[in-house]
Amino acid sequence: AQSVTQPDIHITVSEGASLELRCNYSYGATPYLFWYVQSPGQGLQLLLKYFSGDTLVQGIKGFEAEFKRSQSSFNLRKPSVHWSDAAEYFCAVGPPYGQNFVFGPGTRLSVLP
Amino acid sequence: DTGVSQNPRHKITKRGQNVTFRCDPISEHNRLYWYRQTLGQGPEFLTYFQNEAQLEKSRLLSDRFSAERPKGSFSTLEIQRTEQGDSAMYLCASSLAAHYNEQFFGPGTRLTVL
Repeated sequence: AQSVTQPDIHITVSEGASLELRCNYSYGATPYLFWYVQSPGQGLQLLLKYFSGDTLVQGIKGFEAEFKRSQSSFNLRKPSVHWSDAAEYFCAVGPPYGQNFVFGPGTRLSVLP
Repeated sequence: DTGVSQNPRHKITKRGQNVTFRCDPISEHNRLYWYRQTLGQGPEFLTYFQNEAQLEKSRLLSDRFSAERPKGSFSTLEIQRTEQGDSAMYLCASSLAAHYNEQFFGPGTRLTVL
């Protein structure tokens, strides 16, 4: 069965510091991988996605993620965090031809001024 | 582009009552999805439509839940005889069939069952 783990429930970083949010997945084939961000009162917004090809993918708002098949990981990174990045971040996995996305439990990011 | 809208944004009801939520997708999107998100968890897939046809339902969607998309535009999700365990955020998303993995989410309807 598909599953997604995000080991960090809550992370706090200082503004300007670098960020890495971890995501590990369990899936029997090559999955589609996604990172979404959810701000309070807002819907989920797609940050980036990986389907195939280059394992380092660039997204919006300066985020990037790296797919590592050997580690079943898809970690999200940003070199310099802004206060507006404070939000909940969700990693998700989906089959290439299905609709049934599986989301991780999320990591809440707090940013210190 | 007005995005995906959901109404109401908040609903408080008593156990045993019926509730209905509405989702208006992005106008040109022919796929519409419903998810449920409980506190501290990621969204869980409930069901999805392509145009007016409901093509997949999760086992999470008990008999008390029903979703419709009668004209292939807006959708409704009804919960009958609500239970306290139904308290959650109900999220709607839409996509183009050709880009089904690029789902755009609405702000959600938060349901509280007392």
